[in-house]
Amino acid sequence: KQEVTQIPAALSVPEGENLVLNCSFTDSAIYNLQWFRQDPGKGLTSLLLIQSSQREQTSGRLNASLDKSSGRSTLYIAASQPGDSATYLCAVPNTGGFKTIFGAGTRLFVKA
Amino acid sequence: NAGVMQNPRHLVRRRGQEARLRCSPVKGHSHVYWYRQLPEEGLKFMVYLQKENIIDESGMPKERFSAEFPKEGPSILRIQQVVRGDSAAYFCASSPPPLSRGYLSSGGYTFGSGTRLTVV
Repeated sequence: KQEVTQIPAALSVPEGENLVLNCSFTDSAIYNLQWFRQDPGKGLTSLLLIQSSQREQTSGRLNASLDKSSGRSTLYIAASQPGDSATYLCAVPNTGGFKTIFGAGTRLFVKA
Repeated sequence: NAGVMQNPRHLVRRRGQEARLRCSPVKGHSHVYWYRQLPEEGLKFMVYLQKENIIDESGMPKERFSAEFPKEGPSILRIQQVVRGDSAAYFCASSPPPLSRGYLSSGGYTFGSGTRLTVV
């Protein structure tokens, strides 16, 4: 059974810092991993989707890496801004099934 | 392309009433997923549907909850005889057909903004 853990649960940083959010999963036989952002009271916005054949994906100030063998992914945010404040969710497909398993998220607060 | 549309955004029901949540997927997506997010908890899978078929409902409570995705029209998540514990945010996502089990195509999931159900 796939389980997804995100560390830290919450993070508060001053504006301009580079930061790393961590995601680990118990079953490394995944085909892809997706990072989402959720603003308070809002839906989910897809940030990056990494296929199993890829090691990383980049979009603007975001870079996500995937190490299947160790069951880890990291989301790197460069030069953080107050507008980056949100909850960041990591998600992987459940092995052999269609459902997606989400981590509990990392709540990020970037102070101006 | 309007994305995934969910309505209503907010829904208040008294205990014992029925709640109907609607989801229109991204145009061209024929696969719909429903998730529930309880306060201060992560998203939990409920059900996966294709047009006119329920593929995986392993996350749905056995009683009072049902889902459909008819040939025409939006997907509906129905909760009968709601109780206070049903209060949550319900999210719908859609995707192109998965290439195989657990293997999303490059588009991944697109989520709607959710319906926040409050049972009073």
